[in-house]
Amino acid sequence: DAGVIQSPRHEVTEMGQEVTLRCKPISGHDYLFWYRQTMMRGLELLIYFNNNVPIDDSGMPEDRFSAKMPNASFSTLKIQPSEPRDSAVYFCASRGLAGGTQYFGPGTRLTVL
Amino acid sequence: AQSVSQHNHHVILSEAASLELGCNYSYGGTVNLFWYVQYPGQHLQLLLKYFSGDPLVKGIKGFEAEFIKSKFSFNLRKPSVQWSDTAEYFCAVDSYSSASKIIFGSGTRLSIRP
Repeated sequence: DAGVIQSPRHEVTEMGQEVTLRCKPISGHDYLFWYRQTMMRGLELLIYFNNNVPIDDSGMPEDRFSAKMPNASFSTLKIQPSEPRDSAVYFCASRGLAGGTQYFGPGTRLTVL
Repeated sequence: AQSVSQHNHHVILSEAASLELGCNYSYGGTVNLFWYVQYPGQHLQLLLKYFSGDPLVKGIKGFEAEFIKSKFSFNLRKPSVQWSDTAEYFCAVDSYSSASKIIFGSGTRLSIRP
């Protein structure tokens, strides 16, 4: 298995632009998680899905952030409009069962100028 | 609500020193416990996990952890660290609830002096 796949790996954009991050979970995994990691705030859970349904989005910072999972093999995290404080590494992770091991993707390093 | 505490924020050791990183969790039910490692510039990778059975769990690269249920602890140990162990280490806890989400500690940064 190729593991969790994220794209792009690096994204540099200007303030106000729309940013879309993509994630392909491990095949057969029912859970998908989006995290944000910064030096100041550490690792933060933004939202997670179970069987394509959002279960908990309490970590989404504000309405500029949205996430979708149209099918079991694809999810997006969108920021519109982007701001410099959104600069971070965004990780996607998936797991097969409740309580099971969670596998992380390589991350997308986002820089908003 | 579940929570995970890692009391050591930054640990500095010399090569060959022994390591113990503390992890305490709060949750009343059955839990699964994990240690993840994040090398500089990389993503989190599983180091070891405890689901059931022997409370002493062995992981990759010579790491081990001991689950002590009475103390709600899952400390990570390594008898002799190497420079390549420089990384950030995250303890995590999860339950079997279908609505559960793994809870991560704030991480411990480990720096090894060559």
